[in-house]
Amino acid sequence: EAGVVQSPRYKIIEKKQPVAFWCNPISGHNTLYWYLQNLGQGPELLIRYENEEAVDDSQLPKDRFSAERLKGVDSTLKIQPAELGDSAVYLCASSPGGKTEAFFGQGTRLTVV
Amino acid sequence: QKEVEQDPGPLSVPEGAIVSLNCTYSNSAFQYFMWYRQYSRKGPELLMYTYSSGNKEDGRFTAQVDKSSKYISLFIRDSQPSDSATYLCAMTLGANSKLTFGKGITLSVRP
Repeated sequence: EAGVVQSPRYKIIEKKQPVAFWCNPISGHNTLYWYLQNLGQGPELLIRYENEEAVDDSQLPKDRFSAERLKGVDSTLKIQPAELGDSAVYLCASSPGGKTEAFFGQGTRLTVV
Repeated sequence: QKEVEQDPGPLSVPEGAIVSLNCTYSNSAFQYFMWYRQYSRKGPELLMYTYSSGNKEDGRFTAQVDKSSKYISLFIRDSQPSDSATYLCAMTLGANSKLTFGKGITLSVRP
């Protein structure tokens, strides 16, 4: 069974530019998460989806971040415009309905210069 | 005070040593406890998952939860160089809830 797939793996952009990340969760997993991991820190939740509904986006900086999960499968996370402080690893995870274990993708390492 | 505190690292041990990794938490509502292993430039990989207080063993790994003390531990027996990674504790309130992570501790096992 394929794991959580994220792309791109690495992205370097100039500040004020837009950037988008894509995530394909494990087949059949209803819950999808986007986490942010800064260097030397544990991941922190940005947004959680149950199917296509965002059920927890309280930590998403809505002035510049947006996310969508069309048809309850793939998801994209966008930043516009990017700031230097957005440099981090963006992790996507998924879990089956009614379960607590989350399975992570490889992450997208963003560098804003 | 952060909800989840993890012992600071890094930690370096010789091959074959027993390793003890620890986390404390402040929110008594946490019900599920996990340990993730993260290799450099990779995503976190689920290692152990426990629900109740007590011990859970899987090969060389033992996860221990003490809800009364709000304390969880991961023990690694006969540590191997391949165990060198960052270990993250995580906990959650319930099914499909967000995970709250510790900062992680980097373990190095010397051959």
